[in-house]
Amino acid sequence: SQTIHQWPATLVQPVGSPLSLECTVEGTSNPNLYWYRQAAGRGLQLLFYSVGIGQISSEVPQNLSASRPQDRQFILSSKKLLLSDSGFYLCAWSVKLNRGTEAFFGQGTRLTVV
Amino acid sequence: GDSVTQMEGPVTLSEEAFLTINCTYTATGYPSLFWYVQYPGEGLQLLLKATKADDKGSNKGFEATYRKETTSFHLEKGSVQVSDSAVYFCALSGEGFKTIFGAGTRLFVKA
Repeated sequence: SQTIHQWPATLVQPVGSPLSLECTVEGTSNPNLYWYRQAAGRGLQLLFYSVGIGQISSEVPQNLSASRPQDRQFILSSKKLLLSDSGFYLCAWSVKLNRGTEAFFGQGTRLTVV
Repeated sequence: GDSVTQMEGPVTLSEEAFLTINCTYTATGYPSLFWYVQYPGEGLQLLLKATKADDKGSNKGFEATYRKETTSFHLEKGSVQVSDSAVYFCALSGEGFKTIFGAGTRLFVKA
């Protein structure tokens, strides 16, 4: 069966420090991968998605970047964190349905920038 | 573009009350529809789904019916429990690789 791992679970980082969040998927090949952010008490914002190694699509301009160095690995990065980068970050992968795709989520990373 | 609108929360109910969370959508074509649930501090879990008109998704006592004529996918449960307290997201996925989520509805169930 497929599983998704995301780490760390929580992170407290000072403003201006770098960021690296990692996500890996097991039990499937060539998955579509996604990074979402959820601000406190709010909905989900799609940040990046990837349909293959080295293929990254960015949904919103921001202080973050994403990379996919291996088929089942998706990394979210920043060179210098801002206070506004605080939030709950979720990695997801998806399977194709007859119509659309069904998404499966990791447990999330709570990032607090201080 | 495609969008999902769901009722604002929070919704506060007493245990064993009936739950309805409204969800309507706008989409080109006929998307798949989903309800996800998020418990405190966790990621989203798929609660139920429907992939074509008139389909009824159900799980853990929750139900939702894909209504093409009213572009709706309302979530219902006949008798809620304290353990159902969570945030519920309505979502759709049509052409392409993206899932569009509603803003989420927080549910509090009191004992």
